Amino acid sequence: DAGVIQSPRHEVTEMGQEVTLRCKPISGHDYLFWYRQTMMRGLELLIYFNNNVPIDDSGMPEDRFSAKMPNASFSTLKIQPSEPRDSAVYFCASSPRGGEAFFGQGTRLTVV
Amino acid sequence: GESVGLHLPTLSVQEGDNSIINCAYSNSASDYFIWYKQESGKGPQFIIDIRSNMDKRQGQRVTVLLNKTVKHLSLQIAATQPGDSAVYFCAVPEYTDKLIFGTGTRLQVFP
Repeated sequence: DAGVIQSPRHEVTEMGQEVTLRCKPISGHDYLFWYRQTMMRGLELLIYFNNNVPIDDSGMPEDRFSAKMPNASFSTLKIQPSEPRDSAVYFCASSPRGGEAFFGQGTRLTVV
Repeated sequence: GESVGLHLPTLSVQEGDNSIINCAYSNSASDYFIWYKQESGKGPQFIIDIRSNMDKRQGQRVTVLLNKTVKHLSLQIAATQPGDSAVYFCAVPEYTDKLIFGTGTRLQVFP
């Protein structure tokens, strides 16, 4: 089992550009979570899906953020347009039944 | 409870000593608790969990204690090793589905 796979590991982009983060959850897991981690705010849950359906997106900071899960093996988190304050580490995690989650290695995003 | 802060609390221990990391939660209805370890540059990793019908659970070198009366749980690491240096988070599922993380504690192990 390869675990949760995120890409890219690092992303540096200019303010105003579109950024797309990708995630492949563990096969058979029904839940997928997107978290953001910063020194200021710690680990924040942005959105989560159950069986590919978004359940709670109350953590998404602004309309500039959107997430999709077109099938059970792929999800994206998009920021358009990106701003310097979006700089953070973004984690994807999956879970077989909610509760305990398995995390990917994260994508470190830097917006300059 | 789950609060946000500018600085992580830090616990410094000598190699070989026992470490105790504490966490408070706010929802008395919470019935499942998880401890995660996050090493530098990596995602959080599951360490151990405990359900509310238990007061104590032991793993390999780790023990979690749950005090529901005061809504407090702790993670004890026996014979702390340099490889235990990391940030430790407690996490509580909200509505059984989504995990809410505490601010974390940075454990530093010195020789």
